[in-house]
Amino acid sequence: AQSVTQPDIHITVSEGASLELRCNYSYGATPYLFWYVQSPGQGLQLLLKYFSGDTLVQGIKGFEAEFKRSQSSFNLRKPSVHWSDAAEYFCAVVGELTGGGNKLTFGTGTQLKVEL
Amino acid sequence: DAGVTQSPTHLIKTRGQQVTLRCSPKSGHDTVSWYQQALGQGPQFIFQYYEEEERQRGNFPDRFSGHQFPNYSSELNVNALLLGDSALYLCASSVGQGEVETQYFGPGTRLLVL
Repeated sequence: AQSVTQPDIHITVSEGASLELRCNYSYGATPYLFWYVQSPGQGLQLLLKYFSGDTLVQGIKGFEAEFKRSQSSFNLRKPSVHWSDAAEYFCAVVGELTGGGNKLTFGTGTQLKVEL
Repeated sequence: DAGVTQSPTHLIKTRGQQVTLRCSPKSGHDTVSWYQQALGQGPQFIFQYYEEEERQRGNFPDRFSGHQFPNYSSELNVNALLLGDSALYLCASSVGQGEVETQYFGPGTRLLVL
């Protein structure tokens, strides 16, 4: 069965500093990977996704992620963090349903705090 | 273009009661998935509906049931509520054909069971 590990529960960065959030996955086939962001009391917003092709994918709000098959990782990065980026970030991997369709398996999330 | 909508936004129930949560998918989407997000956790897959049928369910008891209507909207029903059912319930919609779907989430319904 597929699984996702986000090793960092909390991360604090200063505004303007760079950011990297770690995600490791376990999946037997070609993984399809997502990053979502959740602001307090809100639903999940899709930041970016990796299906195939270029291993560096660009997303919204200046985020990017790099897929590294050899390390089973899909880390999220941003060169310069803004105070509005403070939120919880979830990495997810797609798993197939036996009846067709897909489900998402999420990590436990990384809470990002931005210091002004 | 309206995104995924859910109602109600908040709900308070007592143990043993039943609850119904509602979801309307994005325009053009025909598949609805439901997830439960307990406090401090990532969302957990409950089940997915496509063409008014439940495709598969996650590790949730039969107290959790659902329905999809011809207009692709969906309901999640939970019977005999337990304190542990307190969570944020998220609905996600997608297009059900193709190898991999991108799921778009609604704002969620926060359920508190007392």
